[in-house]
Amino acid sequence: GAVVSQHPSWVICKSGTSVKIECRSLDFQATTMFWYRQFPKQSLMLMATSNEGSKATYEQGVEKDKFLINHASLTLSTLTVTSAHPEDSSFYICSATDLRQGAVVSYEQYFGPGTRLTVT
Amino acid sequence: DAKTTQPNSMESNEEEPVHLPCNHSTISGTDYIHWYRQLPSQGPEYVIHGLTSNVNNRMASLAIAEDRKSSTLILHRATLRDAAVYYCILRYGGNEKLTFGTGTRLTIIP
Repeated sequence: GAVVSQHPSWVICKSGTSVKIECRSLDFQATTMFWYRQFPKQSLMLMATSNEGSKATYEQGVEKDKFLINHASLTLSTLTVTSAHPEDSSFYICSATDLRQGAVVSYEQYFGPGTRLTVT
Repeated sequence: DAKTTQPNSMESNEEEPVHLPCNHSTISGTDYIHWYRQLPSQGPEYVIHGLTSNVNNRMASLAIAEDRKSSTLILHRATLRDAAVYYCILRYGGNEKLTFGTGTRLTIIP
């Protein structure tokens, strides 16, 4: 089956620093990748949609200058949290859709295992 | 986005069938019904999806009401590994985005 990995799985950083999270599709090409954020005991909130080779589309209320997304290839998207603050501490999850399903309208998303960010 | 309503939590005994309900009274004709589940400290996992007809796969069955205003995810024989939060999501046919609600936290009792 399709596998999505994230790196790192957890990270602790100091307030004011930047952190980069990688999302990779290991055995398929992803036309689109999504980035979600999940606070404790809450549901997933979509932050942005990332298409290979184009600018990401951010959801309302998500600061694009703070959460930089790059989707440089069909297998890699990165999320950089710039000038992180304690309120950015969260579980960040990416997902991807598979090009092989091009003619199938199910648009099943394959999720990564998540990255837990703690800002001190 | 059309919304879904699910019970906050449910319990089931191990090796018993589990029926997880979802109401989506404002569903439109092009909305697909997706189910994902999330185990603790992990990313969500696709379970099943459907449009109008009932669907079966190796993980579960999806029963869709004739008017499509509700659906039920059926786990035929629950195991401890099925303990998770189950999300019922409507996805507009022309859109890849998924909007997660609060889901149902399923607890399996040994």
